[in-house]
Amino acid sequence: GQNIDQPTEMTATEGAIVQINCTYQTSGFNGLFWYQQHAGEAPTFLSYNVLDGLEEKGRFSSFLSRSKGYSYLLLKELQMKDSASYLCAVREATPLVFGKGTRLSVIA
Amino acid sequence: DARVTQTPRHKVTEMGQEVTMRCQPILGHNTVFWYRQTMMQGLELLAYFRNRAPLDDSGMPKDRFSAEMPDATLATLKIQPSEPRDSAVYFCASGLGGNTNYGYTFGSGTRLTVV
Repeated sequence: GQNIDQPTEMTATEGAIVQINCTYQTSGFNGLFWYQQHAGEAPTFLSYNVLDGLEEKGRFSSFLSRSKGYSYLLLKELQMKDSASYLCAVREATPLVFGKGTRLSVIA
Repeated sequence: DARVTQTPRHKVTEMGQEVTMRCQPILGHNTVFWYRQTMMQGLELLAYFRNRAPLDDSGMPKDRFSAEMPDATLATLKIQPSEPRDSAVYFCASGLGGNTNYGYTFGSGTRLTVV
């Protein structure tokens, strides 16, 4: 079966750092993705990990440990526009299997 | 800027009516997905196609839902008859096969309300 868990909601302060965790149990693994989704909009691709370790892309970084079934998304220097849902997704074969998302609120 | 185009953006219909949602994938993308998003369940895969051939539609209620790709520029998702529990946002996404490192591109979605 498939099980992807992430916290439902988080709140963080503008300028701070926030880490959003994701744990997964899937029958196959061919990459882990993070998407950002603003309210009423489409999910947009943020990052991709297929090997263990940290991938950095500007203010956003994503980490993967395949042996632990664990990933996190790190957002630095938070801005108000980062308020959105962040979706963790695992690709087993071709389609992505999504977690239910973490709604992040950035406050002043 | 290449994008996935979905129509209509919003649809309100009465229970029992047929609903057709359309998707134009990004030119050159050979894999097309239909997802449904609700607050309770999140994003769920309904069906997907590669090179217009259906590969998996196990996520779809077969008695009322159907998905097709009449040609490479058009994917359709039909619900007949529609029910209130079908109310959700339906997303189409497209990409290049199963081993890309940039994921898939989503359309803006069709927000369906069945009353």
